[in-house]
Amino acid sequence: QSVLTQPPSVSGAPGQRVTISCTGSYSNIGAGYDVHWYQQLPGTAPKLLIYGNSYRPSGVPDRFSGSKSGTSASLAISGLQAEDEADYYCQSYDTSLKVFGGGTKLTVL
Amino acid sequence: QVQLQESGPGLVKPSEALSLTCSVSGYSISSGHYWGWIRQSPGKGLEWIAIIHYSGTTHYNPSLRSRVTISVDTSKNQLSLRLASVTAADTAVYYCARDHAYGVTTYVDVWGKGTTVTVSS
Repeated sequence: QSVLTQPPSVSGAPGQRVTISCTGSYSNIGAGYDVHWYQQLPGTAPKLLIYGNSYRPSGVPDRFSGSKSGTSASLAISGLQAEDEADYYCQSYDTSLKVFGGGTKLTVL
Repeated sequence: QVQLQESGPGLVKPSEALSLTCSVSGYSISSGHYWGWIRQSPGKGLEWIAIIHYSGTTHYNPSLRSRVTISVDTSKNQLSLRLASVTAADTAVYYCARDHAYGVTTYVDVWGKGTTVTVSS
C-alpha cells in the first residue's frame, strides 16, 4: 500500500478533461514537500511530466497541469488525446524519503 | 544529451546477490546531482530503492536498506546497485535515474530504459 494514494484508473473521451488525484498526509504532501508527476507509456520508462507541483519541463504540452493543496495534489489533462493513454505516478517525500503513488491508468475511450 | 544505460544479469538465483551497473554518458557524475535506482515489479507501481550524491551521501528505502548497497565510480562514470539475498519478490524492471534537487525534494529528470531482472532457480 502506497503512502500516496491515487485512483487505480480514470478514463475520458478524446477532447475531454480528466484529473488524477494524489492524496497524502501531514507527513508528506501536508508537510510542505513538493509533488512531481511522471507519465509512463506502455512498455517504456517513466518520463517527467510535472515538477515542483505545477511546472512543466520543456517539451511537455500545456494540456498538462498540476496543482497542490493541503495534503493532496492533482494532475489535470485537458484536450485528451489517444497518445495520453498511459500510467501516471505522483512522487513526493515522506519524512525525508522519496515515495511514489500507486499509479493511475488513464484510458482514452 | 544525458543517457543512462543499465546492465547486469537478467536471471538471479534465490538467496544470491543481484548486481547492476548504470553507465552514464553525456554528463559527468562528479559534476553534481543525485543518482539512484527505482524498480517496478511486473504489473505494479514504482518503488524507490536508493539514491547517492557524487560526494558519497546515500539515502535508502527503509524497507530495503538492510540488503541494498548503492555506490558510484566517478572514474568510470558509473552507478552501481547491489541487492543481497534476493527472493522472487525482487523480480522487477530496475531503472537507473538521475535525480534533480528541488527544494528539499528531488525528482527524476533522466531515466534509463530499465533492465529486467528475474529471480528464479
